[in-house]
Amino acid sequence: GEDVEQSLFLSVREGDSSVINCTYTDSSSTYLYWYKQEPGAGLQLLTYIFSNMDMKQDQRLTVLLNKKDKHLSLRIADTQTGDSAIYFCAERMDSSYKLIFGSGTRLLVRP
Amino acid sequence: DAGVTQSPTHLIKTRGQQVTLRCSPKSGHDTVSWYQQALGQGPQFIFQYYEEEERQRGNFPDRFSGHQFPNYSSELNVNALLLGDSALYLCASSSSGESSYNEQFFGPGTRLTVL
Repeated sequence: GEDVEQSLFLSVREGDSSVINCTYTDSSSTYLYWYKQEPGAGLQLLTYIFSNMDMKQDQRLTVLLNKKDKHLSLRIADTQTGDSAIYFCAERMDSSYKLIFGSGTRLLVRP
Repeated sequence: DAGVTQSPTHLIKTRGQQVTLRCSPKSGHDTVSWYQQALGQGPQFIFQYYEEEERQRGNFPDRFSGHQFPNYSSELNVNALLLGDSALYLCASSSSGESSYNEQFFGPGTRLTVL
């Protein structure tokens, strides 16, 4: 079945690292994405990872993929107040064009 | 280079009415997808248009229909509106010629309220 789950809320202090977690159920998912949504705005693609990778790093962002547990995480180093937003995990199967999103994790960065 | 644009930004309708939402894809993109995002939820895939045809559809009733024009812009039509259709409707564009990870660029959305 298709289901992506995320925790609802995360609060961190500015300068700390943030880790946002996601679990998915479809083992045939080939591509996994992290999107950011700020108030009144559309979704911005932050990073993605192929299912044959374990880790991907892109500046302050690190994505870890545990295929056995179907667990995906996004680590944001040196979190800034501008990182406050809703973060969505999404999956896509190679045979499909649709993105399947989780419900989003609201990240609040305290000064 | 303009990104994905959507119109209108906000819309208020009453139950039973019909609505048309519009989307212009990012320059160079030929594929348009539509998503519905209810309050506090993640976006749900409605359908995708490519070469003026619907090529994949999500789990939405036939009241939801669409169209893609030769210039790649797209419309989403919803008939017989229900209160539950109140949501943010997001358009995303992508290029069929892009790499396999298929980045979809999202517009700011149209906020539809059904009273």
